[in-house]
Amino acid sequence: EPEVTQTPSHQVTQMGQEVILRCVPISNHLYFYWYRQILGQKVEFLVSFYNNEISEKSEIFDDQFSVERPDGSNFTLKIRSTKLEDSAMYFCASIAEAGGRGEQYFGPGTRLTVT
Amino acid sequence: QKEVEQDPGPLSVPEGAIVSLNCTYSNSAFQYFMWYRQYSRKGPELLMYTYSSGNKEDGRFTAQVDKSSKYISLFIRDSQPSDSATYLCAMIKAAGNKLTFGGGTRVLVKP
Repeated sequence: EPEVTQTPSHQVTQMGQEVILRCVPISNHLYFYWYRQILGQKVEFLVSFYNNEISEKSEIFDDQFSVERPDGSNFTLKIRSTKLEDSAMYFCASIAEAGGRGEQYFGPGTRLTVT
Repeated sequence: QKEVEQDPGPLSVPEGAIVSLNCTYSNSAFQYFMWYRQYSRKGPELLMYTYSSGNKEDGRFTAQVDKSSKYISLFIRDSQPSDSATYLCAMIKAAGNKLTFGGGTRVLVKP
């Protein structure tokens, strides 16, 4: 069964460093998302991406964040200068088409620890 | 008032019992309703997806939506220890595609 994959599973970085989290969505999917979950808190939407551009972003997704689909398979989230409060699980999700917006399939997540 | 509210639990039930979970929401713009299961430090796994008010059944799972009361439920029949997880409700507004999650209910099914 196709699935969303994410790498790395765990990333430790120092405050102020840049990190890139990588996702490979399901191959025929067209809409891509990043969510995050701070330990013990709700899953929060960060950004959605379609047709090579951001379609929606949350207040969390400020200038320190960027997303890119560098090729036909990868979808990345970059945090330019990490802060302690960026420590969280980051989940990538994808759907096949807008009509299936509720059927978002999540990857296993990347645990980001900022020290 | 939070947009989506969910009792955090934990909800402890004996194996074979029915697990009953629910969420309330405040914004009538929510039109699509989902239930996800999340094991510790793993990604959410989609269980059920409903649009209209009423019931939807899939195996041991039944999802109910009552838009007039802004209330959704998930029932798990014949619960198993492997059902022990956190269950997240999530919703989408008609005009958007971002999921708004509840805080999750932790469920423990004891053998």
